[in-house]
Amino acid sequence: KAGVTQTPRYLIKTRGQQVTLSCSPISGHRSVSWYQQTPGQGLQFLFEYFSETQRNKGNFPGRFSGRQFSNSRSEMNVSTLELGDSALYLCASYRGTEAYDTQYFGPGTRLTVL
Amino acid sequence: SQQGEEDPQALSIQEGENATMNCSYKTSINNLQWYRQNSGRGLVHLILIRSNEREKHSGRLRVTLDTSKKSSSLLITASRAADTASYFCADTSGTYKYIFGTGTRLKVLA
Repeated sequence: KAGVTQTPRYLIKTRGQQVTLSCSPISGHRSVSWYQQTPGQGLQFLFEYFSETQRNKGNFPGRFSGRQFSNSRSEMNVSTLELGDSALYLCASYRGTEAYDTQYFGPGTRLTVL
Repeated sequence: SQQGEEDPQALSIQEGENATMNCSYKTSINNLQWYRQNSGRGLVHLILIRSNEREKHSGRLRVTLDTSKKSSSLLITASRAADTASYFCADTSGTYKYIFGTGTRLKVLA
């Protein structure tokens, strides 16, 4: 099976811009989670989607949003970028039918905000 | 905030030696996952241990879980330079989201 793919892998933006990141899950997986990783805060949960519905949300401002399509692919959007949004954004794919499913991670998108 | 905390934060050993890292968590868990992350890349799943298990093996990996102490340990035996990475524990707590620890940076010297 193909793994989780994320595009783009690297992105450079300036403050105030917006960005959209994409995640394609493993075939057959219906759930996608997003995480932000920074040196200072570590891995922080952003949100989780299952069958096109947001099922769980972390403690991030409303500038961070996401969606999931009928083919389970997911996008996350960050509007009005701030310097502190510079991070590695990871998505994880899993079946989603059990709370304890193993999550499989993509390679991440490295976002740099200047 | 992070639930899990790995200890030590950084570890440097010689190739062939064993590496042990610990993870402590604050609340009850359902299961615990261990992941590896090579520099700046995605996380690779290593092993899952359920709350009713005490020990689990996978190749050169051995994971233990002590629910009374709210801690888990990951042992890598006969380490190799390729094991150089950061290691994280993660707990789901039944809410479909993972709470990650702070990670242990392991460096294996050839």
